Amino acid sequence: QKEVEQNSGPLSVPEGAIASLNCTYSDRVSQSFFWYRQYSGKSPELIMSIYSNGDKEDGRFTAQLNKASQYVSLLIRDSQPSDSATYLCAVNVRRRNNNDMRFGAGTRLTVKP
Amino acid sequence: DGGITQSPKYLFRKEGQNVTLSCEQNLNHDAMYWYRQDPGQGLRLIYYSQIVNDFQKGDIAEGYSVSREKKESFPLTVTSAQKNPTAFYLCASSLSGGARYEQYFGPGTRLTVT
Repeated sequence: QKEVEQNSGPLSVPEGAIASLNCTYSDRVSQSFFWYRQYSGKSPELIMSIYSNGDKEDGRFTAQLNKASQYVSLLIRDSQPSDSATYLCAVNVRRRNNNDMRFGAGTRLTVKP
Repeated sequence: DGGITQSPKYLFRKEGQNVTLSCEQNLNHDAMYWYRQDPGQGLRLIYYSQIVNDFQKGDIAEGYSVSREKKESFPLTVTSAQKNPTAFYLCASSLSGGARYEQYFGPGTRLTVT
């Protein structure tokens, strides 16, 4: 079982729709959860972080965390073609004095005009 | 203008040659990281450093070496011992090495070894 799992996609949604991206993780000690957006050929860009159960909203983005189910998701409302990218889920586990960030392989999102 | 810079953007080398990738940050971050990204895979940690003159191996450190002589700089050397060096290399930094601290990435260096 991979430590951080994401559906590789591609996920295709029409412009204006809600895109829902999902991520599961295996380590119950996980403390911090991040979503990165990566355009083709570019480096990852942090778009959301979430640390406690529930929802966190930032503009068109909402991150949802359920630690009991070991599940974190990202919703993108009013999707735009410019949202087309690969979205990486990252989970940080604090082990002793060091942190350990684990990344999923990413979900490729295509928003069609 | 604060940020993380990596150079060069593209690098081509012959097998058997060592190559050093540069990473500099002016964010005053304590922690710095090197990741490798291969197609269809998640980022994998090569090395990380939480303070100057100290660094730890990540999951795939074999064939790589680093140094942290200055807070701002964390160069990565890909040695000839690295069996599959062709990849996209990403440097990141965070305010501290704690679990709650967000990591920010540089633009990356794409290394091709033939």
